[in-house]
Amino acid sequence: DAGITQSPRHKVTETGTPVTLRCHQTENHRYMYWYRQDPGHGLRLIHYSYGVKDTDKGEVSDGYSVSRSKTEDFLLTLESATSSQTSVYFCAISELAGITDTQYFGPGTRLTVL
Amino acid sequence: AQRVTQPEKLLSVFKGAPVELKCNYSYSGSPELFWYVQYSRQRLQLLLRHISRESIKGFTADLNKGETSFHLKKPFAQEEDSAMYYCALGIQGAQKLVFGQGTRLTINP
Repeated sequence: DAGITQSPRHKVTETGTPVTLRCHQTENHRYMYWYRQDPGHGLRLIHYSYGVKDTDKGEVSDGYSVSRSKTEDFLLTLESATSSQTSVYFCAISELAGITDTQYFGPGTRLTVL
Repeated sequence: AQRVTQPEKLLSVFKGAPVELKCNYSYSGSPELFWYVQYSRQRLQLLLRHISRESIKGFTADLNKGETSFHLKKPFAQEEDSAMYYCALGIQGAQKLVFGQGTRLTINP
């Protein structure tokens, strides 16, 4: 497995609380991505980063924000969690532009919002 | 809009039988297509990409631009092929992938 870790691996929280998920890489890859995985929807891109402090929205970015202050860390924040954000969240990295390079995935974080 | 469709959520075949996982895409540009796989208790990983025209673990996929398809095929399924398979489309200029809904493949002994 590429050097990608996600923390926490499991989290249960209540509606309205803020939540931050962390993705950490040791590969020094430029691109980092946050996806959510839901039955019937597959993987959907939330946000991605193409460098330190450079981020952009994906297809399901509402209710999420991200930050990347260091190459190795990409944080996903749910400002006020809702039950619809219950999901499995995956981080991915790639060295080159994502459409031509392999994306390497983290182990996932299972988030439950009650 | 860019879209990837995998029409089968579940697919079950017997060991030794041929298997085909369907993938159709909608994209006005020149497509870059991939298959990713997630085995039980493992991370999602790249299986193959169309530009490489390679065979991985006996699987092949041919891009058919006329039918806008990128079906994944294997002539003789093995039990270890049981997994979740995702087709993905690369969006040029955007450095991102669009994934399909996934197909869970089960190989019966």
